Amino acid sequence: GAGVSQSPSNKVTEKGKDVELRCDPISGHTALYWYRQSLGQGLEFLIYFQGNSAPDKSGLPSDRFSAERTGGSVSTLTIQRTQQEDSAVYLCASSTSGELFFGEGSRLTVL
Amino acid sequence: QKEVEQDPGPLSVPEGAIVSLNCTYSNSAFQYFMWYRQYSRKGPELLMYTYSSGNKEDGRFTAQVDKSSKYISLFIRDSQPSDSATYLCATNAGGTSYGKLTFGQGTILTVHP
Repeated sequence: GAGVSQSPSNKVTEKGKDVELRCDPISGHTALYWYRQSLGQGLEFLIYFQGNSAPDKSGLPSDRFSAERTGGSVSTLTIQRTQQEDSAVYLCASSTSGELFFGEGSRLTVL
Repeated sequence: QKEVEQDPGPLSVPEGAIVSLNCTYSNSAFQYFMWYRQYSRKGPELLMYTYSSGNKEDGRFTAQVDKSSKYISLFIRDSQPSDSATYLCATNAGGTSYGKLTFGQGTILTVHP
């Protein structure tokens, strides 16, 4: 069966540009999470969606980061005015009520 | 200081060895403890999940939690080259925040034939 799908798998952008990362969760999974994995910081929680609402945005590092989820399904993480420190792998996970299932991530490189 | 500390290794062992991976945590609110395995360029996958202090076995893997000392371990018996991966400990406070995990840095394990 289909797992969590993320796109693009790789993105290289220039400093100052905006990027959008997409997550397509497992069908029927109501909870969706974004994490960031970087060499210096490890795996860090960014934001959590239950349905279309985001009850916990506490991990978003700055107001340049935002995310939305529509139709209780696909989610988009947007990073505005990218900085070099935004370079990382952005991982999405989905869940029903227990185990998190992770996608393979979107690797972002900001030059 | 990070809430979950994990020795990043790298750890290199011969096939068949017993591997011990360890984490410590500082937040007493953490209730659930997990070990994830992550292969290169892949997402983490759940290996073991435990709530209470004590041991939990699943095949060649044993997870151990000691809440009194805030110490969690994963033991791999008869290690195989296919076990070569990054192992991440993780924890959460449970309830509605079950998916908001705090991870250790990950330990890179290589099992050589």
